[in-house]
Amino acid sequence: KAGVTQTPRYLIKTRGQQVTLSCSPISGHRSVSWYQQTPGQGLQFLFEYFSETQRNKGNFPGRFSGRQFSNSRSEMNVSTLELGDSALYLCASSPRQGTAGTGELFFGEGSRLTVL
Amino acid sequence: AQSVAQPEDQVNVAEGNPLTVKCTYSVSGNPYLFWYVQYPNRGLQFLLKYITGDNLVKGSYGFEAEFNKSQTSFHLKKPSALVSDSALYFCAVRDGDNQGGKLIFGQGTELSVKP
Repeated sequence: KAGVTQTPRYLIKTRGQQVTLSCSPISGHRSVSWYQQTPGQGLQFLFEYFSETQRNKGNFPGRFSGRQFSNSRSEMNVSTLELGDSALYLCASSPRQGTAGTGELFFGEGSRLTVL
Repeated sequence: AQSVAQPEDQVNVAEGNPLTVKCTYSVSGNPYLFWYVQYPNRGLQFLLKYITGDNLVKGSYGFEAEFNKSQTSFHLKKPSALVSDSALYFCAVRDGDNQGGKLIFGQGTELSVKP
């Protein structure tokens, strides 16, 4: 079974630009979560989507947005990029929201964004 | 508010020796606790979890963790460390079943195993 696929793996943008990152979850997984990882702040939850609906949102400004498609694939968008947005953006999938019986997330390898 | 603390930024262990990576938590309600490992330039890999039941949880690659409710701890352990265990380890907590895919992660502990 293929794992979580994130594209692109690496990208460089300049301040003020926008970026779109893509995530394809494991087949059959309907929940997709996004995390930002930086050396200073560590791993921070951005948002979670389930059945094309945002179910949870972290404490990030409105420049960060996302969506989920009917095939469970997800995208996140960051507009008006700032230097501080440089980070590894990780996507994770799980079979369904709030799976008490399993609960683990399956992570992709991330998209490393550098903002110049 | 839920929180997780990993008090050690780095742990150094000689190959063959036992290792412990510490984690304490603070949650309201029953804790769902996880350990993940991250190798350089890779995503996170699930190691083990505690949901309910036995306090000693066994996971992947020979790792285990002990849940201690009175000390609010969930330390990761391995009886005999390997050089290949060198990586960044994260403890995480989810507050029951209400937060779906939202995990609160600790700051991470860099494990270095020397030959």
